[in-house]
Amino acid sequence: DAGVIQSPRHEVTEMGQEVTLRCKPISGHDYLFWYRQTMMRGLELLIYFNNNVPIDDSGMPEDRFSAKMPNASFSTLKIQPSEPRDSAVYFCASSLLGDTGELFFGEGSRLTVL
Amino acid sequence: GQQVMQIPQYQHVQEGEDFTTYCNSSTTLSNIQWYKQRPGGHPVFLIQLVKSGEVKKQKRLTFQFGEAKKNSSLHITATQTTDVGTYFCAATFTTGGYQKVTFGTGTKLQVIP
Repeated sequence: DAGVIQSPRHEVTEMGQEVTLRCKPISGHDYLFWYRQTMMRGLELLIYFNNNVPIDDSGMPEDRFSAKMPNASFSTLKIQPSEPRDSAVYFCASSLLGDTGELFFGEGSRLTVL
Repeated sequence: GQQVMQIPQYQHVQEGEDFTTYCNSSTTLSNIQWYKQRPGGHPVFLIQLVKSGEVKKQKRLTFQFGEAKKNSSLHITATQTTDVGTYFCAATFTTGGYQKVTFGTGTKLQVIP
């Protein structure tokens, strides 16, 4: 298996633009997580899904952030409109055993909002 | 929300010296995981501890879970330059029927050759 695949790897955009980050989890994994990593706040859990259903989105910063998982092999994290404080590395991770299982992380999407 | 404190935040050691990072929670944990993130990379799973007082070893790495399941430690014996990176603990809390994973703040290890 190729592992968790994220795209784009890097994105530079201007404030106010819409940003869409994509993730393909490992086949067969039924949990998918979105994390954000910054120097100031470390690794923050934004939202996670089980069998394509959002379970906990309490970490989503505000209404500008939304996440979807239309099927077992694809998820998106959207920011609209983007702001400079959204600049961070966004990681997607998948797991077979949910929160008590090993998380497999993607390479991350580095977002810079100017 | 639940917080997991990790100390120290940074550690510089001479190659060959030992290194320890500590993870503490004010509440009881279901389990604890440890991850390593190389500079510019993504977190990679190292190990999971489940039982109270559990000790596991991976070559030069020793992981411990406290008796009260509120703290954990990672000890590296005789560090090497390949050990450079940030080490995170990830704690599982059971709340409202869900198990939520929260990452510690991380300890950044620098090994001086």
